Amino acid sequence: DIHMTQSPSSLSASVGDRVTITCRASQSISSYLNWYQQKPGMAPKFLIHTASTLQSGVPSRFSGGGFGTDFTLTISSLQPEDSATYYCQQSYSNPVTFGGGTKVEI
Amino acid sequence: QVQLVESGGGLVKPGGSLRLSCAASGFTFSDYSVSWIRQAPGKGLEWLSYISSTGGTTFYGASVKGRFTISRDNAKNSLFLQMNSLRTEDTAVYYCTTSLDWLLPFDSWGQGTLVTVSS
Repeated sequence: DIHMTQSPSSLSASVGDRVTITCRASQSISSYLNWYQQKPGMAPKFLIHTASTLQSGVPSRFSGGGFGTDFTLTISSLQPEDSATYYCQQSYSNPVTFGGGTKVEI
Repeated sequence: QVQLVESGGGLVKPGGSLRLSCAASGFTFSDYSVSWIRQAPGKGLEWLSYISSTGGTTFYGASVKGRFTISRDNAKNSLFLQMNSLRTEDTAVYYCTTSLDWLLPFDSWGQGTLVTVSS
């Protein structure tokens, strides 16, 4: 199985800050990396696919990048509604696996 | 508007069984693959099982293979998860999710149903 490692596990930042979350795969997954946002008590929401393509309706302050084993999710100007836990997920091979999550507090 | 509504969760004793359902609406259910994903309390996400749009292909994660069975009824826009031999570590919120195909993102999620396995 491909193991996904996210860092940091949590972070605290201020409104307007630029925030970057890292996701590392245990082997190359090309660009088959997706990001999800989960707010407390709610289901995850699909944000980004194939490492860098924003899902329709996702604010442009979110961006993704990376290839192979190292990926990033960046929020260019943190907003209060971005307080959530973010998960990466590889869709390169069976079984699909998720990172452990990064909790973003504001 | 895509809607997925899970039901069937509850409290069950170790070794017991439970059948989860997911009712889909707002889209052509038979065009989509569906998966079950769970989240233990305070923990991350774990993919459990996948079924293709026609039901002809299924996959299971190692932690549930041989104990859980995924199925669907496209005529009733419904997805199911039969869970047998439940263990305390199966305690989690169970989500149904859609994707266009295997190894594509989980683009829509239900609100989840809580399964508690405890004596």
